[in-house]
Amino acid sequence: DAGVIQSPRHEVTEMGQEVTLRCKPISGHNSLFWYRQTMMRGLELLIYFNNNVPIDDSGMPEDRFSAKMPNASFSTLKIQPSEPRDSAVYFCASSLTGNEQFFGPGTRLTVL
Amino acid sequence: QKEVEQNSGPLSVPEGAIASLNCTYSDRGSQSFFWYRQYSGKSPELIMFIYSNGDKEDGRFTAQLNKASQYVSLLIRDSQPSDSATYLCAVLPGRQLTFGSGTQLTVLP
Repeated sequence: DAGVIQSPRHEVTEMGQEVTLRCKPISGHNSLFWYRQTMMRGLELLIYFNNNVPIDDSGMPEDRFSAKMPNASFSTLKIQPSEPRDSAVYFCASSLTGNEQFFGPGTRLTVL
Repeated sequence: QKEVEQNSGPLSVPEGAIASLNCTYSDRGSQSFFWYRQYSGKSPELIMFIYSNGDKEDGRFTAQLNKASQYVSLLIRDSQPSDSATYLCAVLPGRQLTFGSGTQLTVLP
């Protein structure tokens, strides 16, 4: 079975541009999580969905960030406008039980 | 106080030794505990989970949980250079995982 799929794997953009990160969870998993990882702050939960519904978005840093899950096999995380401090690795994870989470390979975002 | 605390290390052990990684958590209501391994430049990989007090063994890995002391640990027996990675402790106090900052382990050949 394929694991969690994320695209793109690397993204370099300029400040002010819109960035869209994509995630395909493991088939059959009903929970999906977006994380951000930096050296300074470690691994932070941004938002999670259960059955395509956003349950907790308290980790989303500000209104520039938005996430959607239009169906069980696809989610996006959008940053508009992007800023240099958004540079990080963004992980998507999925889970069947909500406990044991399986991570995708991540998207390394660099905002110049 | 951080919700999940780990010694950031780095922790170095010789090949074949036992590596001991520790984690404390603040929420007494936490019920589920996880250890993830993260190689440099890679994503976290779930290696162990434990829900009940005591020990849980899986191959060379043993997770230990003491809810009274709010303490969870991971022992790696017969450490190998391939075990060199950052180990993240994660706790489920409610509806979402809270991660520690990780302990960097280096196994010296």
